[in-house]
Amino acid sequence: EDQVTQSPEALRLQEGESSSLNCSYTVSGLRGLFWYRQDPGKGPEFLFTLYSAGEEKEKERLKATLTKKESFLHITAPKPEDSATYLCAVQAPYNAGNNRKLIWGLGTSLAVNP
Amino acid sequence: DTGVSQNPRHKITKRGQNVTFRCDPISEHNRLYWYRQTLGQGPEFLTYFQNEAQLEKSRLLSDRFSAERPKGSFSTLEIQRTEQGDSAMYLCASSNSASGAISSYNEQFFGPGTRLTVL
Repeated sequence: EDQVTQSPEALRLQEGESSSLNCSYTVSGLRGLFWYRQDPGKGPEFLFTLYSAGEEKEKERLKATLTKKESFLHITAPKPEDSATYLCAVQAPYNAGNNRKLIWGLGTSLAVNP
Repeated sequence: DTGVSQNPRHKITKRGQNVTFRCDPISEHNRLYWYRQTLGQGPEFLTYFQNEAQLEKSRLLSDRFSAERPKGSFSTLEIQRTEQGDSAMYLCASSNSASGAISSYNEQFFGPGTRLTVL
């Protein structure tokens, strides 16, 4: 069964303390892996798409990487405004019942203390 | 603002009442999705449109839920005879299909959501 697991469930960092969030997946023939940020009471905000192992993308203090089994979201020198839930989702190959539907993890809740 | 918009942002209703939510996608996007999200969970897929055609509906979705996208632009999600278990954040997202191979075709952009509380 296609599945996405994120770890840790929650992470508390001090401002400036770099760390990584993990998204592991069991999907054959990955079509894309997506990272989103979600603030409380708001819709997810798109961050990155990764398509193939070895690919990396960066945006400000965030860097996403992809292997054949997992993705990491590296946060360098985080600030309090980086506090949010970070969601990972994958797109599996098309077959009956999952066309264009994303498989979501439960997210990592990140808190950055000043 | 050219992002996805949803109305209302909050809805409180009594059990048994019907509610309707509206989603306006990004104007050039031909795909529109509805999700439901409860606290501590990822978004749960409800249904998906390409233009005006509803191409997929979750097996978890009961007959009390119906969605339309009559002109391939905005969409409505109606819940009939609401139950307390329907309380959740209802999210709408849109994306743009693209010809060719790998592209940004399935990057979904979300609206702010509608928070439903059923008393």
